[in-house]
Order: sequence, then C-alpha cells, then structure tokens
Amino acid sequence: DAKTTQPTSMDCAEGRAANLPCNHSTISGNEYVYWYRQIHSQGPQYIIHGLKNNETNEMASLIITEDRKSSTLILPHATLRDTAVYYCIVRRGSEKLVFGKGTKLTVNP
Amino acid sequence: DTEVTQTPKHLVMGMTNKKSLKCEQHMGHRAMYWYKQKAKKPPELMFVYSYEKLSINESVPSRFSPECPNSSLLNLHLHALQPEDSALYLCASSHYLHNGQGIDGYTFGSGTRLTVV
Repeated sequence: DAKTTQPTSMDCAEGRAANLPCNHSTISGNEYVYWYRQIHSQGPQYIIHGLKNNETNEMASLIITEDRKSSTLILPHATLRDTAVYYCIVRRGSEKLVFGKGTKLTVNP
Repeated sequence: DTEVTQTPKHLVMGMTNKKSLKCEQHMGHRAMYWYKQKAKKPPELMFVYSYEKLSINESVPSRFSPECPNSSLLNLHLHALQPEDSALYLCASSHYLHNGQGIDGYTFGSGTRLTVV
C-alpha cells in the first residue's frame, strides 16, 4: 500500500472549516483514500473514503485531486469535539489497515 | 448492533500474572484484529483473524496469545508481560466485500488500557 504524508499538527477555530491535507504521490489506480480519526483514548473511527471522485457524507467531505496524488479532508464546521488525530490511509482491499503518524487537529474556542 | 465491545476497559497486571482481553462483535464480520497503541503513537497491527483462523501474526512475542473461539469473539491471552507492554490494546473487525474485492468496514472498539507493573 502507498505511503502518505500529513502535517504533524493543525489548529482550527471552532465553527470554521478544517481542511486537512494528505499527500499520496505513489498511489496506484486501484487504491482508495481512507480517512479515520482517533479522539483521545478512544478507538479509531471511520470518516470517509474515495477512489477518484469527491465524496461527502454527514461527517466530512473528501476532495481528491485529478491526478490522485493528494487529497483534502474537509470538516465544514469544526467543533471542539472534532479535536482528534486524523489518519489518511491509502489501501487496496488487502487485509491490513496500516496507520501512519496522522495529523493532530486542535479545534480552539 | 454496530459496535465492537472490549472488556475490561482498564487492566493492571503483574509480570507473573495471566490475564485475558476480550473482544466481541455481532455485525457478522469475519475478519478480526488486535492492534497495540503506545502513547502518542499510531496503532500497530498485531494479529489478523480471517474466518476464525489466524492469518497474520506481525512477529508478536509469544507472551501474547490470540484466540478466536467463534465468529463473534476474539481473545488476547497475556502471560509474563513486561512493563514495556503497557499500552492501549484495540480490537477491530471488518467484513469481506463481495466478489473477492477485499475487506472494508473496519470498526474499532474503545480499547483496553493495560498497565504492567
């Protein structure tokens, strides 16, 4: 599975959009981009995934560039409860879900 | 039921003790996992069970012994642990996609915080 690069940490004001970038320049054609988050002392939580089209669900939007080498997770109206570590993972349908270091997002009041 | 339940939530054990962590899911998922997470680090995969059979062991020391007695239960037996084994132990499950397209729908439990003294 391809590796990803994410900023170590980001800050966002409550009520504003949080835009979390992820680089995956070696992604192959059949690999999906997944986003998970982990709130302190809880298990990771699935957020969203996509192949090449932009995706939106009740939690977030995922924007994937046309060349698929990078993506952005958007939390449209961040709340204090969105403070967490966000993991961008690129994978095929293999068994392993491997976590990188992720981005520590802090939402400030 | 869309949850993975782990018990206990907290466990303190001595280096000579034997204890077990338990994980349960009723989503019909046929793949189950154990992850270990040290403080301020990402979760690391330990074991994968596929249809109740061990399919991946990520070179985990034998003092950790997994068991999958049925499709809903996953145990992790602990014996002669070291203080450095203190960590959050996460269980997860997922389902197999149709037409052999792989695995999806990972769902994690809240973990067992283990302290070895």
